[in-house]
Amino acid sequence: AQSVAQPEDQVNVAEGNPLTVKCTYSVSGNPYLFWYVQYPNRGLQFLLKYITGDNLVKGSYGFEAEFNKSQTSFHLKKPSALVSDSALYFCAVRDIEGQNFVFGPGTRLSVLP
Amino acid sequence: GAGVSQSPRYKVTKRGQDVALRCDPISGHVSLYWYRQALGQGPEFLTYFNYEAQQDKSGLPNDRFSAERPEGSISTLTIQRTEQRDSAMYRCASSLEFGGGETQYFGPGTRLLVL
Repeated sequence: AQSVAQPEDQVNVAEGNPLTVKCTYSVSGNPYLFWYVQYPNRGLQFLLKYITGDNLVKGSYGFEAEFNKSQTSFHLKKPSALVSDSALYFCAVRDIEGQNFVFGPGTRLSVLP
Repeated sequence: GAGVSQSPRYKVTKRGQDVALRCDPISGHVSLYWYRQALGQGPEFLTYFNYEAQQDKSGLPNDRFSAERPEGSISTLTIQRTEQRDSAMYRCASSLEFGGGETQYFGPGTRLLVL
C-alpha cells in the first residue's frame, strides 16, 4: 500500500529566503506524485505533479519539486519565499495501477516578514 | 460552473440523523472523488467514480457511508445514523479523465458537525 511522510509539521522561513518542504513516499512500482496547498478556509489547490520525464517539475506560484527515485523523495522548493506562501502543504502519491490518492499529513509553512 | 461546488458548506446535525452531502463536479469531468479530512490532517480517501460507476469504495469507514453518482455528474455522499466521530470536513474532487496521473480539482468542502 502507498504511504506518504512529511517529516516536518511546521517550517518557518524568512521572506526572501529559499524554502523546502519535505516529502518521502512508499509505493510499489512507479509513482505519480502531487503537491497541493491549502489556504485558510479554502479548498485544496493543485501546485504541481510528477508523472514521468524530467525529475525537476515546475508548478504554480514559482514552486518546483524534484523527484528523487533513489531517495523516494519529492521535496517542494521555492527560491524566494513570500509571506503569501504561508499555508498548509500536502504531498500525495498514487501508483500507476492504484485507484486512490494517499495524502501526507501536511506541513504548515510560515513565511515571516 | 468554473469549479467543483459542494453543498451545504456547513451542516450541523444531531447524532442518529442521516445526512446527504452533494458534490457538483467541473462540467465534463469523468472522475469524481470523495475524501474526509480531520482537523490538522491530510485528506483521507473514501471512494471514487468513473462516470456513474463506483470504482473503489474501500475507503468508506463502514456501511453507514454510501455514495452514488447516478447520471455520471452530481454525486451524493450519504451518512446514515450519524455519530459524533463522523464530524469532519468532507471534500469532493473531480478530474477530467481517469488515470493515475490526472490532476484532481477540489471543491470547498462540507464541514459536518454531529452533536
